[in-house]
Amino acid sequence: AQSVTQPDIHITVSEGASLELRCNYSYGATPYLFWYVQSPGQGLQLLLKYFSGDTLVQGIKGFEAEFKRSQSSFNLRKPSVHWSDAAEYFCAVVFTGGGNKLTFGTGTQLKVEL
Amino acid sequence: DAMVIQNPRYQVTQFGKPVTLSCSQTLNHNVMYWYQQKSSQAPKLLFHYYDKDFNNEADTPDNFQSRRPNTSFCFLDIRSPGLGDAAMYLCATSQGTSMFFGPGTRLTVL
Repeated sequence: AQSVTQPDIHITVSEGASLELRCNYSYGATPYLFWYVQSPGQGLQLLLKYFSGDTLVQGIKGFEAEFKRSQSSFNLRKPSVHWSDAAEYFCAVVFTGGGNKLTFGTGTQLKVEL
Repeated sequence: DAMVIQNPRYQVTQFGKPVTLSCSQTLNHNVMYWYQQKSSQAPKLLFHYYDKDFNNEADTPDNFQSRRPNTSFCFLDIRSPGLGDAAMYLCATSQGTSMFFGPGTRLTVL
């Protein structure tokens, strides 16, 4: 079955520390992959996306993500977290051949300690 | 700036009283979506329009309807809101594989 999983429900990091948020998918081919961020009471903002090509993708706000086909993963990283990065992060997938519908992971709530 | 606009941002309705949420876009995208997001959960797709073609998700309750009178506007109608329908409702558009979300409408059902 097609699915997308974010194993970490909550993550807490200190400001200035590095961050990695995990995302795994289950699918027979390579889907289109996205990371979105959502601040409390707000809509979703696209951080970055991967369709094909270079497996290391740069996004906005200093975020990057790496696609690893062998691990079916698309983990989000940031070298140095700022307090303003505290938010909910959603990995999302478009399973090619299934229309243009985004399937979201359950989200990871990031807390930043000052 | 081109964008996805949702009105109102906050909507309060009474149990069983019909309510309509509005979405408009200046992106001229051919696909528009409505997602429901309950507290601390991932957004869940209710339905989407590809141009005028309506596509309902299999598990979307009949209580939820949608209208798209033209490319720019899409409406979500909840015929008889229940307490369980309290949520954030997100409108999104896409052309190709990039999706753009509006800020959402927070629906409260009293």
